[in-house]
Amino acid sequence: GQQLNQSPQSMFIQEGEDVSMNCTSSSIFNTWLWYKQDPGEGPVLLIALYKAGELTSNGRLTAQFGITRKDSFLNISASIPSDVGIYFCAGQNSGGSNYKLTFGKGTLLTVNP
Amino acid sequence: DADVTQTPRNRITKTGKRIMLECSQTKGHDRMYWYRQDPGLGLRLIYYSFDVKDINKGEISDGYSVSRQAQAKFSLSLESAIPNQTALYFCATSDLGSGMSYNEQFFGPGTRLTVL
Repeated sequence: GQQLNQSPQSMFIQEGEDVSMNCTSSSIFNTWLWYKQDPGEGPVLLIALYKAGELTSNGRLTAQFGITRKDSFLNISASIPSDVGIYFCAGQNSGGSNYKLTFGKGTLLTVNP
Repeated sequence: DADVTQTPRNRITKTGKRIMLECSQTKGHDRMYWYRQDPGLGLRLIYYSFDVKDINKGEISDGYSVSRQAQAKFSLSLESAIPNQTALYFCATSDLGSGMSYNEQFFGPGTRLTVL
């Protein structure tokens, strides 16, 4: 099956710093998604990307769909303590009945106040 | 009230016991999923159902079974639990209306299962 490599596995940063994480795939996806999981809760969608090269922002978050359709990155600017959690990338190939998501292994973010 | 609920939230059981995890949703979605989360491994799909009469295996279905009792209910069973099934289990739902190009999945709060 398709494999997603997400890096880094974990990050420890100071409040106010910027964060960058990325995902690469062995094959192309039609859609890239970024989810965040707060401690003790289920993942919640942050950003969805639909087209190669697309750059999308949501507040302090910016994500890009790689031009090759095999990668995506997520940036968080001016981190705050509530940014703590696990961030997952996910790829999707639609068509027919296949709308399943393939998830990366996650990036654990710790923000020191 | 939460749109996707899971019961129980925590469960400790012994090897060989039969366990059922339940998921209910009020979002009116046709599609439901069961995932397993292990540290460092992310989310892996166990089973998914696109409607009440449709059940499909995911990437790690061995040792698990599911039942879609109604559009709103999707349960996961471990017929004979073993210690390496200790994990965090998530249920998710999604819908795909006409014109949508992505498959946002809405997750429940998770069930932490420990098999001794």
